[in-house]
Amino acid sequence: ETGVTQTPRHLVMGMTNKKSLKCEQHLGHNAMYWYKQSAKKPLELMFVYNFKEQTENNSVPSRFSPECPNSSHLFLHLHTLQPEDSALYLCASSQEWSRTDTQYFGPGTRLTVL
Amino acid sequence: GDSVTQMEGPVTLSEEACLTINCTYTATGYPSLFWYVQYPGEGLQLLLKATKADDKGSNKGFEATYRKETTSFHLEKGSVQVSDSAVYFCALTDSWGKLQFGAGTQVVVTP
Repeated sequence: ETGVTQTPRHLVMGMTNKKSLKCEQHLGHNAMYWYKQSAKKPLELMFVYNFKEQTENNSVPSRFSPECPNSSHLFLHLHTLQPEDSALYLCASSQEWSRTDTQYFGPGTRLTVL
Repeated sequence: GDSVTQMEGPVTLSEEACLTINCTYTATGYPSLFWYVQYPGEGLQLLLKATKADDKGSNKGFEATYRKETTSFHLEKGSVQVSDSAVYFCALTDSWGKLQFGAGTQVVVTP
């Protein structure tokens, strides 16, 4: 596979469930990102990992927990979510976290919290 | 903080019409500027970018020029196709690489 892949593509979970989103990049990049895309709100950056170190946490609630075991994989662990957390969660990667590097996005996971 | 403002949609136009989507930005440093496109049910794809003033990005018939004097990065295409129907996002990266998006503009092209 090439580019940035995300699994699952769709996820429905209850408020008491625990689930994880997975992102994998095949581009040899060193920076990975999680974004949240909600209806009627601009894309929101959630987390940044640069060379496997978390460099940005954009005031995200603790019910979202990221994990970056290596520079190719990024996870978002979810627990006790709220219905307002329903959104499209996008993963992205870039060569490094810098002003000029392009971020490449995966297709997203459509999350519905019941 | 840095921000991006783009025209609201939806923008509806006929095939072969000209398209312009306005985008202006506010930044304290020297941002790089991007246009991303999102087709229905898909993630974001980079359309074009410019990293310094007066640079022109171009791809698939789309163009945008980084105008520092007007803090703008308007997207243009001379003749749109039905396949150009999508949501277009203007974005900037600040000095640290944080990508900030505009609200997106939906474009609908009819045959």
